[in-house]
Amino acid sequence: GNSVTQMEGPVTLSEEAFLTINCTYTATGYPSLFWYVQYPGEGLQLLLKATKADDKGSNKGFEATYRKETTSFHLEKGSVQVSDSAVYFCALRTLSGGGNKLTFGTGTQLKVEL
Amino acid sequence: DTGVSQDPRHKITKRGQNVTFRCDPISEHNRLYWYRQTLGQGPEFLTYFQNEAQLEKSRLLSDRFSAERPKGSFSTLEIQRTEQGDSAMYLCASSFVVGEGFYGYTFGSGTRLTVV
Repeated sequence: GNSVTQMEGPVTLSEEAFLTINCTYTATGYPSLFWYVQYPGEGLQLLLKATKADDKGSNKGFEATYRKETTSFHLEKGSVQVSDSAVYFCALRTLSGGGNKLTFGTGTQLKVEL
Repeated sequence: DTGVSQDPRHKITKRGQNVTFRCDPISEHNRLYWYRQTLGQGPEFLTYFQNEAQLEKSRLLSDRFSAERPKGSFSTLEIQRTEQGDSAMYLCASSFVVGEGFYGYTFGSGTRLTVV
């Protein structure tokens, strides 16, 4: 079946440090890939997406490239801020049943300190 | 439109009681989804509606769970005879889908259920 594996957290960084959160997936066919962010007490928000191999999704300084050969979609940011502290979820879209279901990873908590 | 609304935000109930949650999606969205998120895990799909029709249910949705979307607008999720294992965050999301186009969900803030 489909699955998403993320690096375990928490990841603790100093402000302005470089961020990488690893995400790999297993899927049948060619899924679309997503990163969602969840701030404390809030719902999940779509951060970025990529729908086919070699696509790069980007938003708010975050980037991720769909790598079919390594089945990966790692999230990166060149300089993190305290306001980036949140839980980040990697997800893939399946067309099973035509429902556009999302399969999520377990999430990676990011803590950014001054 | 203020996004996807869920009510209540928190619910504490005794084991064996029934609970019902409500979700109001973005008004022009035709699809509505329910997910469950337990502590330290990612959301897991429960069920989804296309307008008022419930088109798919996960095996996670036992017979004690029922969801409705009577007029293709708001939805309710009811859990009967709650168990401690039902304690989780219940997330609702909506999207607008035409053909194969899919642009991601909009999630609500969730209802946190605690069964004591």
